[in-house]
Amino acid sequence: QKEVEQDPGPLSVPEGAIVSLNCTYSNSAFQYFMWYRQYSRKGPELLMYTYSSGNKEDGRFTAQVDKSSKYISLFIRDSQPSDSATYLCALESSGDKLTFGTGTRLAVRP
Amino acid sequence: ETGVTQSPTHLIKTRGQQVTLRCSSQSGHNTVSWYQQALGQGPQFIFQYYREEENGRGNFPPRFSGLHFPNYSSELNVNALELDDSALYLCASSRDRVEGYTFGSGTRLTVV
Repeated sequence: QKEVEQDPGPLSVPEGAIVSLNCTYSNSAFQYFMWYRQYSRKGPELLMYTYSSGNKEDGRFTAQVDKSSKYISLFIRDSQPSDSATYLCALESSGDKLTFGTGTRLAVRP
Repeated sequence: ETGVTQSPTHLIKTRGQQVTLRCSSQSGHNTVSWYQQALGQGPQFIFQYYREEENGRGNFPPRFSGLHFPNYSSELNVNALELDDSALYLCASSRDRVEGYTFGSGTRLTVV
């Protein structure tokens, strides 16, 4: 079993839709939770960073962490074609190494 | 614009050769990590440096090695290249955990 599971998609939604991206994990040692966005032929770009259970909001993005269920989510409101990218969840234990999911490819149709 | 720059952007090497990839991170970012990202996969941790010392290593063989210099530049060296080493190699740096990690655009290595 992988430490981090993420649905690879692809996920295709119309412009303006609410997008839900999810990861599950098995290692309780993970303490820090991140979401990265990666455009084609580019490096990952940090979107959200959190370390506690609950919700964290930044503009159209909301990160949700449920440590008891070992489940994290990223919600994108009012999705735009420019949001089309691969979204990676990344988890970190105290050792500073990031463990990534496989990434979910998102396409937002105009 | 990202504060982490990597060179070269693309590289083609022959199996058995050696390659050096370079990274320049932001001033004050004392933690630098290298990741390998195969096509359609998430990045896999290779190793990490805090200042000039390696302080963490993933499941990669010793032919993957690195250096980190006081001027915030880093190198990833891979010896005896194999076809499976073809991937996007990413450098990431961090000042501290609160800010997260900033990634470069990567070097795409193709081994033929």
